[in-house]
Amino acid sequence: NAGVMQNPRHLVRRRGQEARLRCSPMKGHSHVYWYRQLPEEGLKFMVYLQKENIIDESGMPKERFSAEFPKEGPSILRIQQVVRGDSAAYFCASSPTSEYEQYFGPGTRLTVT
Amino acid sequence: AQSVTQLDSHVSVSEGTPVLLRCNYSSSYSPSLFWYVQHPNKGLQLLLKYTSAATLVKGINGFEAEFKKSETSFHLTKPSAHMSDAAEYFCVVNLRNSGYALNFGKGTSLLVTP
Repeated sequence: NAGVMQNPRHLVRRRGQEARLRCSPMKGHSHVYWYRQLPEEGLKFMVYLQKENIIDESGMPKERFSAEFPKEGPSILRIQQVVRGDSAAYFCASSPTSEYEQYFGPGTRLTVT
Repeated sequence: AQSVTQLDSHVSVSEGTPVLLRCNYSSSYSPSLFWYVQHPNKGLQLLLKYTSAATLVKGINGFEAEFKKSETSFHLTKPSAHMSDAAEYFCVVNLRNSGYALNFGKGTSLLVTP
């Protein structure tokens, strides 16, 4: 059983461009979580999604950030008009239910130049 | 608000000696607490979790942690360090009473020397 997959592993964007980060949950998992790790910080919760639904986006910045988890395909975290402060590692996790252990992917390192 | 503080950003031990990684938490209700480990360029792996059952929790790879409510602590220990234990360790508390939305400490980098 493959683990949580994230791609790309490294992403470089210039200021003002868009960044799309993908997360494929483990087989059988319908709950997806996104976290962001800024330099020298712990991971911070961003958003919790189930298939086709955003359950909790209280950790998402109000502007430029959006997330989706369509019926088919991976979950996408989208950052529009990136700024240098968006440079961070973005981790995705999945679980079979919201009460179960979360399995983490290897992360996407976003660098904004 | 629920938060977690890892008291040491770096810990260095010799192979074969005990490991102690310290964590304090604050929570307005009985929390769920976790320790995760991250090896370089790998995803985070759950070491152990406390969810209001036994206060001494045993995890994988010989690690264990003790929940002490009076001290609001959840320190991670291992009797004898192995070289492969060198990694980043995160103490984690749940932000909601439902288990999702984890709140991570800043991490402790464990170095194991021969």
